[in-house]
Amino acid sequence: DTGVSQNPRHKITKRGQNVTFRCDPISEHNRLYWYRQTLGQGPEFLTYFQNEAQLEKSRLLSDRFSAERPKGSFSTLEIQRTEQGDSAMYLCASSLNTGGSGNTIYFGEGSWLTVV
Amino acid sequence: SQQGEEDPQALSIQEGENATMNCSYKTSINNLQWYRQNSGRGLVHLILIRSNEREKHSGRLRVTLDTSKKSSSLLITASRAADTASYFCATGRSGNTPLVFGKGTRLSVIA
Repeated sequence: DTGVSQNPRHKITKRGQNVTFRCDPISEHNRLYWYRQTLGQGPEFLTYFQNEAQLEKSRLLSDRFSAERPKGSFSTLEIQRTEQGDSAMYLCASSLNTGGSGNTIYFGEGSWLTVV
Repeated sequence: SQQGEEDPQALSIQEGENATMNCSYKTSINNLQWYRQNSGRGLVHLILIRSNEREKHSGRLRVTLDTSKKSSSLLITASRAADTASYFCATGRSGNTPLVFGKGTRLSVIA
């Protein structure tokens, strides 16, 4: 499979616990994005990386959220001290930024988080 | 914050009919992309249209872009039950910025 891969696909956790999601982008894609989506809403941007550099973080990304892309390949998104409001689908996406006007962004299947 | 607004929020049609979804946005853009999402799944990229383009086709899909009106439309011709999904428009302020999504149109195609 050469698409964007996300793990785990589903996670149920108790409030206050930490969770970590992993994303493997399409090989050779230098851009990696994290979005969050709740029921009935469109995806909301969280953060993105160009290679290993985190270039932008949304105000939605509170101090409890941290994302890394240590070697410019896979990425992890960690949520500390989870709250019920964190329940959502976390989507990872990747693209090849060639500096042109508009790059197709490819999404993974998402990781569902339920905080109980 | 979400820039795009899709209209209608929900659309129900018979198989074989055409489906038209509209997207309006607020700020200037570099490109606009349409995605499809089946319930509980990830987003599938449908088509990208750049700000200097007015119309693009891909199979049964036709996308138009009117930058003067800050709007785009997605037309699905000869719809099929398998087209049932949510459709989102997403805008990019430049070639290098993340996409901003609207809330989507839920399309139901009845066989």
